[in-house]
Amino acid sequence: QTVVTQEPSFSVSPGGTVTLTCGLSSGSVSTTYYPSWYQQTPGQAPRTLIYSTNTRSSGVPDRFSGSILGNKAALTITGAQADDDSDYYCVLYMGGGSWVFGGGTKLTVL
Amino acid sequence: EVRLVESGGGLIQPGGSLRLSCAASGFTVTSNYMSWVRQAPGKGLEWVSVIYSGGSTYYADSVKGRFTISRDTSKNTLYLQMNSLRAEDTAVYYCARLETKRTGFDPWGLGTLVTVSS
Repeated sequence: QTVVTQEPSFSVSPGGTVTLTCGLSSGSVSTTYYPSWYQQTPGQAPRTLIYSTNTRSSGVPDRFSGSILGNKAALTITGAQADDDSDYYCVLYMGGGSWVFGGGTKLTVL
Repeated sequence: EVRLVESGGGLIQPGGSLRLSCAASGFTVTSNYMSWVRQAPGKGLEWVSVIYSGGSTYYADSVKGRFTISRDTSKNTLYLQMNSLRAEDTAVYYCARLETKRTGFDPWGLGTLVTVSS
């Protein structure tokens, strides 16, 4: 069973830059996994940030960007703001009509 | 406006059945991939099921054989029939549009809570 890995937690200072990653327990993430990223605050539905590796969803500020870094998908937040303090999830398309979410990263801005 | 509204959640005993609905507006369910994603209390997101625009259906191993995804064209509504429910199925269930496998899950509904407990 393939596991999608994310850092459990991360912290960043206001105005700083942080890169969250999304990997595989076995193998490398590539664009063919169509990685996408979601932001979720407690009690709220997820909000789509990035899809198909690096395409920003409508209305998402350009300080959020997606890429492939080495063998992982990555979400970079440049100029972190207080309201970026959230949980972040990636999801990968595994083929055969199957998607797998990562365990999520709790980002603290302080 | 593109919008999804889930309903049908509630408290159900182990072994019971429940059907969730997801009413769509602003787009046509049958022209898109549509999916269910769940989140157990205090846990992360878990993909549950998808129905492709052509009608093919797929499921996570954890629900295969117990859950059935379907849609009603006339009501522009997505469904999730959940049978043989277990305590570990307790979660907020979200429906989400996919458009295609490339485009990610967007938008999401607000979710409906399913609690499986005696």
